[in-house]
Amino acid sequence: DAKTTQPNSMESNEEEPVHLPCNHSTISGTDYIHWYRQLPSQGPEYVIHGLTSNVNNRMASLAIAEDRKSSTLILHRATLRDAAVYYCILRDGRRNQGGKLIFGQGTELSVKP
Amino acid sequence: DSGVTQTPKHLITATGQRVTLRCSPRSGDLSVYWYQQSLDQGLQFLIQYYNGEERAKGNILERFSAQQFPDLHSELNLSSLELGDSALYFCASSVGGGGGPGEQYFGPGTRLTVT
Repeated sequence: DAKTTQPNSMESNEEEPVHLPCNHSTISGTDYIHWYRQLPSQGPEYVIHGLTSNVNNRMASLAIAEDRKSSTLILHRATLRDAAVYYCILRDGRRNQGGKLIFGQGTELSVKP
Repeated sequence: DSGVTQTPKHLITATGQRVTLRCSPRSGDLSVYWYQQSLDQGLQFLIQYYNGEERAKGNILERFSAQQFPDLHSELNLSSLELGDSALYFCASSVGGGGGPGEQYFGPGTRLTVT
């Protein structure tokens, strides 16, 4: 399984944008880039995914490098509720691989008021 | 609320015992996944079932087994429990069984404590 590298922790101020980086230099053509987050005492929560193009949804934006070897999750205005561990995951999109998610250590985001 | 339910929420048992964790997927989802989260190993994929059949297997111990029933709920059976099995066990579900992006929706987890 292709691996991702993320900073262990990041800090942000409330109502400011946050850019969470992820390196995935061994990504293959069939890998989707997924982001999940885990709030304290909860199960992981889907945030966003992309394949080649940048993506936006109500929670966040995902910027994908042209060579797909890195990506950045963007929270446009951090709130205290966004404090969580953010996981960048490469999910193999081939049918015979099932749908498993391989979690790394993630980035622990803290948000200061 | 993700729509995925897990019972029980907490479970305390002794070494050597056997327990069963239960998961009900979101309505319409055919895949169920089981994950284990411990302090030293992080979140680890255990096993996936799709429409009643095993689809993918991770680092699941031989003492652990799972199944998915015709109504699509799933059970994870843990036997001959050891102290190291103490962890949070999450169930997730998705519509498809693989292929394409396939976001997963996680339940609140079952906290297992083995004493």
